[in-house]
Amino acid sequence: GDSVTQMEGPVTLSEEAFLTINCTYTATGYPSLFWYVQYPGEGLQLLLKATKADDKGSNKGFEATYRKETTSFHLEKGSVQVSDSAVYFCALSDHGESSGDKLTFGTGTRLAVRP
Amino acid sequence: GAGVSQTPSNKVTEKGKYVELRCDPISGHTALYWYRQSLGQGPEFLIYFQGTGAADDSGLPNDRFFAVRPEGSVSTLKIQRTERGDSAVYLCASSSTGGPDTQYFGPGTRLTVL
Repeated sequence: GDSVTQMEGPVTLSEEAFLTINCTYTATGYPSLFWYVQYPGEGLQLLLKATKADDKGSNKGFEATYRKETTSFHLEKGSVQVSDSAVYFCALSDHGESSGDKLTFGTGTRLAVRP
Repeated sequence: GAGVSQTPSNKVTEKGKYVELRCDPISGHTALYWYRQSLGQGPEFLIYFQGTGAADDSGLPNDRFFAVRPEGSVSTLKIQRTERGDSAVYLCASSSTGGPDTQYFGPGTRLTVL
């Protein structure tokens, strides 16, 4: 079945540091890939997505590239801010005919950014 | 416009009791999903509705769990004979088509079974 593996946290960085959160996936089909973010006290929000190989999703300075050859979708940001402190979830959707776009999530990576 | 809403936000119950969790999707969204998020884990799929019908209930853990969406809008997740292991945050999400589209999540219902 489908699965998503992401690096364990917590990740602690100083403000303006470079961020990478690794994510790899296993899927039977040709999935779409997502990063969701959960800020403290808030619900899950879509951060970015990519629907085909070599697509780059980007939003709020974050970016991730769909790499089919390495089955990866690593999240990067060049300069993190304190406000980026949150839990980040990598997810995939395999577009099953009867299953709509049910998401398979990784376990989440908590990011803490120090001033 | 209004996002996905879920009630109650918190529910504490005793082992063996019956609970109902409600989800109000974004108006006009035909696809509705339920997920369960245990502490320290990512959300896990439970069930998917397209309109009124459950198109995929493969994620429901056992027959104590059941969900309905009688008019194709509001959905209720029902759990019978609750167990301590059912304690989790139950998330609802909706999307406009059920196809390759963004799912919008509600804030969740935190269920605690004592």
